[in-house]
Amino acid sequence: ILNVEQSPQSLHVQEGDSTNFTCSFPSSNFYALHWYRWETAKSPEALFVMTLNGDEKKKGRISATLNTKEGYSYLYIKGSQPEDSATYLCAFPNTGNQFYFGTGTSLTVIP
Amino acid sequence: DTAVSQTPKYLVTQMGNDKSIKCEQNLGHDTMYWYKQDSKKFLKIMFSYNNKELIINETVPNRFSPKSPDKAHLNLHINSLELGDSAVYFCASSRRLDNSPLHFGNGTRLTVT
Repeated sequence: ILNVEQSPQSLHVQEGDSTNFTCSFPSSNFYALHWYRWETAKSPEALFVMTLNGDEKKKGRISATLNTKEGYSYLYIKGSQPEDSATYLCAFPNTGNQFYFGTGTSLTVIP
Repeated sequence: DTAVSQTPKYLVTQMGNDKSIKCEQNLGHDTMYWYKQDSKKFLKIMFSYNNKELIINETVPNRFSPKSPDKAHLNLHINSLELGDSAVYFCASSRRLDNSPLHFGNGTRLTVT
C-alpha cells in the first residue's frame, strides 16, 4: 500500500483568487502522477498525467508541476471560478499499475 | 456511447445476500479496476485486472470477487453482504502501458440493510 497525501484537506476561496494545493508521494520507483477533478454527483475525470521530473502541464487556468526527487506535485488554479469547486485528487501507480489515490483537496469557490 | 458504464446505479439489499455489479468499457482498454469510496470520499483500490493478471488488494475480504468474461467487462460479485459493505463502488479502465489516465464509471451506490 502506497502512502499518497494531499493538503490541505479543504479550501474555501473567493472568486477570482488564485490557489494551490499539494500532493506528496513516495519518491522511489516513480512511474507517473495523475491529477483528477471530482465534481459532486459525478465520477473523477483526469486533468493531467505527469511523468518527468520538472514537468509542468497546463489546461486553461489550471496547471500542475512535478518534483519526483522530493516526491511532490502542486496543482495551481489561477483566478478561481465557482465552477472550479470540486475535489481534486492525485493518484500514484505502483509497479502493478494499481493507482493509489490521495484523500483529496475539496475546493469551494465562493462567488 | 458511454465509455465506462456500471449497472445498477443504486443497489439496496439485505445482509447475507449475494449481489453483483456489472461494468463494461468500450474504450479498448486492457486494464480494468474496482475502487471503493469510503464514507470520507476516499477512493481505495480493490482490484486491477487485465487479460493476464488479477491483482487483489490484500485488505479486500474474500467475499468480494471480480469476474471478467472478456476484455471489456469486469463484474464485481459480493457474497454474504455485511452492513460495512455499504459504499459507492467505482469501476475504471485504462491502457496499462502508456501511463494513460483512468476513465471512471458513474459509480454504484450499495446500501446493505
